[in-house]
Amino acid sequence: AQRVTQPEKLLSVFKGAPVELKCNYSYSGSPELFWYVQYSRQRLQLLLRHISRESIKGFTADLNKGETSFHLKKPFAQEEDSAMYYCAFPPPHASGGSYIPTFGRGTSLIVHP
Amino acid sequence: DGGITQSPKYLFRKEGQNVTLSCEQNLNHDAMYWYRQDPGQGLRLIYYSQIVNDFQKGDIAEGYSVSREKKESFPLTVTSAQKNPTAFYLCASSIAGVKGDTQYFGPGTRLTVL
Repeated sequence: AQRVTQPEKLLSVFKGAPVELKCNYSYSGSPELFWYVQYSRQRLQLLLRHISRESIKGFTADLNKGETSFHLKKPFAQEEDSAMYYCAFPPPHASGGSYIPTFGRGTSLIVHP
Repeated sequence: DGGITQSPKYLFRKEGQNVTLSCEQNLNHDAMYWYRQDPGQGLRLIYYSQIVNDFQKGDIAEGYSVSREKKESFPLTVTSAQKNPTAFYLCASSIAGVKGDTQYFGPGTRLTVL
């Protein structure tokens, strides 16, 4: 079955330190992967998607097909990065070819001053 | 913010009662979704709908029901058959429910069973 795994429930770093939030996936085809973020008292929102190859708020994520990973990285963490991060993966649906996202369990990032 | 709304923000229910959570969107999106968010378990899909008058069960549909009579509305009913309904419920929508779709989320409803 296709799925996404986030092995860390909590990641705690100090301001200015590098951050890497891990995401691994299992899927036999060519995946489309996203990172969503939920800041305190805000809605869950898209942070970035691998197909866009963009950097949002200093975060990047590279799809590594050999390691089946899509880790989220930022070289210098800021306090405002503290949030819940979800890796999400749309598996193909059984009927009709539409895609329903699957979310990992989430990693809570805490950036200390 | 805006575009997709959920009401109420907080909801309290006695055991044995059904309750309905509202979700409305004005984004003209075809696809809508209901998730349940529990600490340490991430988001789990309850139901989804890709078009009006059609919906499909997600991973944890037991004890829940939905309807999709209008494009902009996707209400979720938590029935008395749901064994552990206390949770945070998120509604989302996307343009077409196809691969690569970005989902847009509502602010959520926190349901507590007394």
